[in-house]
Amino acid sequence: DIQMTQSPSSLSVSVGDTVTITCQASQDISNYLSWYQQKSGRAPKLLIYDASTLETGVPSRFSGSGSGTDFTFTITSLQPEDVATYYCQQFNDLPSITFGQGTRLDIQ
Amino acid sequence: QVQLVQPGAEVKKPGASVKISCKASGYSFTHYFVHWVRQAPGQGLEWMGLINPSGGGTTLAQKFQGRVILTTDTSTNTVEMELSSLTNEDTAVYFCSRDRGSMAETGARYTMDVWGQGTTVTVSS
Repeated sequence: DIQMTQSPSSLSVSVGDTVTITCQASQDISNYLSWYQQKSGRAPKLLIYDASTLETGVPSRFSGSGSGTDFTFTITSLQPEDVATYYCQQFNDLPSITFGQGTRLDIQ
Repeated sequence: QVQLVQPGAEVKKPGASVKISCKASGYSFTHYFVHWVRQAPGQGLEWMGLINPSGGGTTLAQKFQGRVILTTDTSTNTVEMELSSLTNEDTAVYFCSRDRGSMAETGARYTMDVWGQGTTVTVSS
């Protein structure tokens, strides 16, 4: 199975900051990577698919990039409502779909 | 609107089975795969498997093969996930979710764009 290494596991930032989260795949997954946001007690929400395509209705301060094994997720001008845990997910190694370990984002 | 509705909670004893329903509405049910993902308390997301509501074909993560059965009922637009031989480690929130890709258009995309609210399964003696 392809392993996804996501970092950092947590971070505390200020409103207005830029946040960067990385996800590294154990082997080439092309651009078959998605990013989700999960707020406490809620279901995950799809933000980005195909590594860099923004899901409809998602604010443009969220973005993604990368291909192959290294991927980046960025939030620019962080807002208070962005407090959540963020997960990457690969879907190149079917039938095994795997998620990263998650990054917990807090406002300091 | 597009939605997936799940029951709120189940409590089971070790060794028992649990069957969780996921009722879809607001879209063409047979055009989209449905995934199952679980999340143990304080832990990350774990993909369990998927079902094609058109025909009932399934793909399961290796970890759950032999213990999970996925079924579909096109008359009620419902999929169900049955997990057997429960242990304390199966205590988790179980989510169903819709694949982003329509089989009538792009084909499955193995990304999940609509999620149920989750069913909390507690396994305790």
